[in-house]
Amino acid sequence: DAMVIQNPRYQVTQFGKPVTLSCSQTLNHNVMYWYQQKSSQAPKLLFHYYDKDFNNEADTPDNFQSRRPNTSFCFLDIRSPGLGDAAMYLCATSGGRRWEDTQYFGPGTRLTVL
Amino acid sequence: DAKTTQPPSMDCAEGRAANLPCNHSTISGNEYVYWYRQIHSQGPQYIIHGLKNNETNEMASLIITEDRKSSTLILPHATLRDTAVYYCIVRFSNDYKLSFGAGTTVTVRA
Repeated sequence: DAMVIQNPRYQVTQFGKPVTLSCSQTLNHNVMYWYQQKSSQAPKLLFHYYDKDFNNEADTPDNFQSRRPNTSFCFLDIRSPGLGDAAMYLCATSGGRRWEDTQYFGPGTRLTVL
Repeated sequence: DAKTTQPPSMDCAEGRAANLPCNHSTISGNEYVYWYRQIHSQGPQYIIHGLKNNETNEMASLIITEDRKSSTLILPHATLRDTAVYYCIVRFSNDYKLSFGAGTTVTVRA
């Protein structure tokens, strides 16, 4: 089945130690998104790619970076995780051909920072 | 972007219809109303969306008032698996962004 896959589902890192989360999709969608969801809060968009064009949200900290080497894969890099970065990180995709296209979400990666 | 207002929580009996309200009084003419839900520890799941007309799919029905200032998501026969946080979202007319609000926590009880 076509889907959005996130690995790993659970990630533990140490304070200040760089960590990379990955997302892949078999939907051949143009747009890929990264959301952060802290405990008991709604998902919050960090950034998105339309094809290779990167679009950062104004309030996304510089500590968060992203890479999209090809259509199928997108990575979230946290350069120096702090305790406040512990959250669920959600990847989503959409077709991008129309602005109203549905977003399809992966299962998320839960990040713990020790 | 137009903001939405939803009740923080509601209970529903299994097998009954669940009616989830959403206010979006500042919605503009070319903004769609979307509904997503998030079951605990999973990613959000698309349910339905609409512009002006009522919409129905295999999951739910969406009723939008004529003035478009509010809408209701209807789950026709709620099951225990429908327990989730339901988000009503008004989509930017020219952006790809989904701006999630606090949502409604729906608990379906046997």
